[in-house]
Amino acid sequence: QQPVQSPQAVILREGEDAVINCSSSKALYSVHWYRQKHGEAPVFLMILLKGGEQKGHDKISASFNEKKQQSSLYLTASQLSYSGTYFCGTESGSARQLTFGSGTQLTVLP
Amino acid sequence: KAGVTQTPRYLIKTRGQQVTLSCSPISGHRSVSWYQQTPGQGLQFLFEYFSETQRNKGNFPGRFSGRQFSNSRSEMNVSTLELGDSALYLCASSSNRLAYTGELFFGEGSRLTVL
Repeated sequence: QQPVQSPQAVILREGEDAVINCSSSKALYSVHWYRQKHGEAPVFLMILLKGGEQKGHDKISASFNEKKQQSSLYLTASQLSYSGTYFCGTESGSARQLTFGSGTQLTVLP
Repeated sequence: KAGVTQTPRYLIKTRGQQVTLSCSPISGHRSVSWYQQTPGQGLQFLFEYFSETQRNKGNFPGRFSGRQFSNSRSEMNVSTLELGDSALYLCASSSNRLAYTGELFFGEGSRLTVL
């Protein structure tokens, strides 16, 4: 079953913060985040494994709440280059198979 | 290091025809997975191959098939095309030495239009 992402779209100004949420009804093993710019291939951001860890690089970080089967992606002090569609992918059970959410379209305006 | 290469990039077919798409993974990557991307459904998993064996399959009809060769290159085939098969087909490779899906490196995709 596809994870649910929210919001579906968000518009913000450069320097503002944003949070994108991803929730699943299944017990998750891992959560993956990708960003896809228009007309380009999705690009890997990070993987979070069950255990409630938080990861980050630069001003983008994420958390994984194993109890709630939810993950959140945090974008701090957004830059124009952050614009794109963000997808969470979830993995559960023993299958090495990512099920992606429908995406969150993020637009950063100057 | 060359990225994932998909061919052809664009193609137009008519209903009932079949199509074969090709994917060359990053050198050294033995896992290749395929995804269908449409505006309404997002990214949907088709199948994953590792060392010429299909390890996982998504919820698609049997008209969708694939294979992987000994050099890790992969092809997917869609037979008896339907209008709803119009989509961007993405291939992703990974080294996949982990117990879970690792970082996927996506190609730019093959955009299929079915008329």
